[in-house]
Amino acid sequence: SQQGEEDPQALSIQEGENATMNCSYKTSINNLQWYRQNSGRGLVHLILIRSNEREKHSGRLRVTLDTSKKSSSLLITASRAADTASYFCATDPYLGANSKLTFGKGITLSVRP
Amino acid sequence: ETGVTQSPTHLIKTRGQQVTLRCSSQSGHNTVSWYQQALGQGPQFIFQYYREEENGRGNFPPRFSGLQFPNYSSELNVNALELDDSALYLCASHQGGRSYEQYFGPGTRLTVT
Repeated sequence: SQQGEEDPQALSIQEGENATMNCSYKTSINNLQWYRQNSGRGLVHLILIRSNEREKHSGRLRVTLDTSKKSSSLLITASRAADTASYFCATDPYLGANSKLTFGKGITLSVRP
Repeated sequence: ETGVTQSPTHLIKTRGQQVTLRCSSQSGHNTVSWYQQALGQGPQFIFQYYREEENGRGNFPPRFSGLQFPNYSSELNVNALELDDSALYLCASHQGGRSYEQYFGPGTRLTVT
């Protein structure tokens, strides 16, 4: 079963615009991660935010986490055509050694040149 | 590109047959997780191996089984294939106990006819 739910399911924007994607989840987490997938291939890790963090930045990416609302958002600034992909949030409930991820259904982002 | 490799890339099997998928983890990683991704869905956790022992299992029947070898590479075996087993099978590795970010391979596309 999927823990996370992303919205919107699909997003189409113009190159240079910002893209905001949201994720909601149901149970307690240790951390939340965002991944990108191009054309049904392997997933690429983008950014991880721990449950005691509220905001994190990495290059053009900004992720926020609100544990009281069980939600997260991923902002991609100044989008490029190469950002066209599917984006997934994944929750990890464990404090201990081994990460076990529960993914949402994903958001399809299309960036028009 | 991560250092995780999977073989084969594509596979076509008939219902009722058995299949073995292989994964080589990234150097230095001792934990491998397997995920099933149906078309249009997010990956679903099958099971995880840590230092050659199963370390957690998702909601998959016993006909899904696995192994991890001393070099931390891994196999996923599926017996009595069903049409619904058609999916992209992804393996991911990480260093258990030190990091939560998972490194995914490119996947094996399994089609069951």
